[in-house]
This record gives sequence, C-alpha cells and structure tokens, in this order.
Amino acid sequence: DTAVSQTPKYLVTQMGNDKSIKCEQNLGHDTMYWYKQDSKKFLKIMFSYNNKELIINETVPNRFSPKSPDKAHLNLHINSLELGDSAVYFCASSQEAGQLYYEQYFGPGTRLTVT
Amino acid sequence: EDKVVQSPLSLVVHEGDTVTLNCSYEVTNFRSLLWYKQEKKAPTFLFMLTSSGIEKKSGRLSSILDKKELFSILNITATQTGDSAVYLCAVGGNEKLTFGTGTRLTIIP
Repeated sequence: DTAVSQTPKYLVTQMGNDKSIKCEQNLGHDTMYWYKQDSKKFLKIMFSYNNKELIINETVPNRFSPKSPDKAHLNLHINSLELGDSAVYFCASSQEAGQLYYEQYFGPGTRLTVT
Repeated sequence: EDKVVQSPLSLVVHEGDTVTLNCSYEVTNFRSLLWYKQEKKAPTFLFMLTSSGIEKKSGRLSSILDKKELFSILNITATQTGDSAVYLCAVGGNEKLTFGTGTRLTIIP
C-alpha cells in the first residue's frame, strides 16, 4: 500500500489555467505538507497542516490555496498558472510537528509544466 | 531567516571510496536535523539527529551532529553505484523544516 500518494504524477497546462493536485496519506499522521522543488533540486516548504488546521504558510502567492477536508488529505489548488510555477510539487506527512521533526514521508511528486 | 548550507554541491568518486558530506546550519530554536536521500523521485529518510556527539549508523552510512559548531556530517563507506543520489540535509526549527540545496553524489563503477 502506498503511504503517501499524489495525483496526477504529471501535469502539463497552459498559462492562466487553474489546476489542482491531490494528496492522500494512509499513515494516520496528523501533519501534512506541500513542498516545491525547483530545477536545481531546492526543496522549499509552502504549507503545513496539522489536523486540518493551517500552521505554516510560507511566502507563497495567494494564487496557491491548500485545502484539507480531513487529516488524511491535503489538496493544492493553483489559480492563474504562471511559467514560474513549473516545478515538482511534493506532498509529505509526519507524525507531529512543533516539538521535534520526525521523519517526513514524501509522496512521489507531481511534475507541473506550464507552457 | 533559517539557513542550511551543504557542501560539496557535487561529488564524483569511484566505487569503494569513502565520502563525507557536510551540512552547516543557522536555525532559530533548533529541534532536529534530518538526512534524506533523493534518487529519481521522492526523498527517502535516512537519519534524524537531535543530540550532539551521538553517531547514528545504518549499514555503510553514518551521521553525527555537532550542536556547538552547528553542523552535521554524513559518511558513506565502501560506496556502491546504488549510492548515487542527491543527499539532502534538513533542519527543524520554528515549526518548519528548512532544506539545504543538497549534495549530488555520483559513484563511478
């Protein structure tokens, strides 16, 4: 069974479109994250949710909106896509945030290409 | 702002060699330091370090943390081609993990 899954794996779309990426974890973790990894492999956190509540919101354009319908799911919706949004987006989950940083389990990634 | 710097940026060695990867950090309210290995897809967890001077070991890989000097090293002995990957260091503080840019390790058969 896949621990953290994301759909779709690949997404090619045109500038100006709106798209969503879905993430699900079956590990029973309380905390989920979205990361963006650019072409130089730099991994940067975007959002973190703990028990459906937003706890980290980094400096990300408000075109990006995360939604957590329950603690096993964290979706990312992107409005008005721009060329600079092209990257690999990783979802991750962990046991707990705040006190210690436990192992984060990463999904397979969604490669977004904006043309 | 929290900062994690890894060196070298890339490293090419022959199979059987031993390598040392470095990670230095400046983080407010340090909680833990984690090492990940990233091949073609998602990063996979290697170690979590919270205390200075205690070596973590898994097979040919080992890591140690120095909280006074604010760095960690990851050692890989008797390298194999399967060790070729990007190795990421991440430091937890202020409720988030900050990742370094990674070290790209290439093992030549």
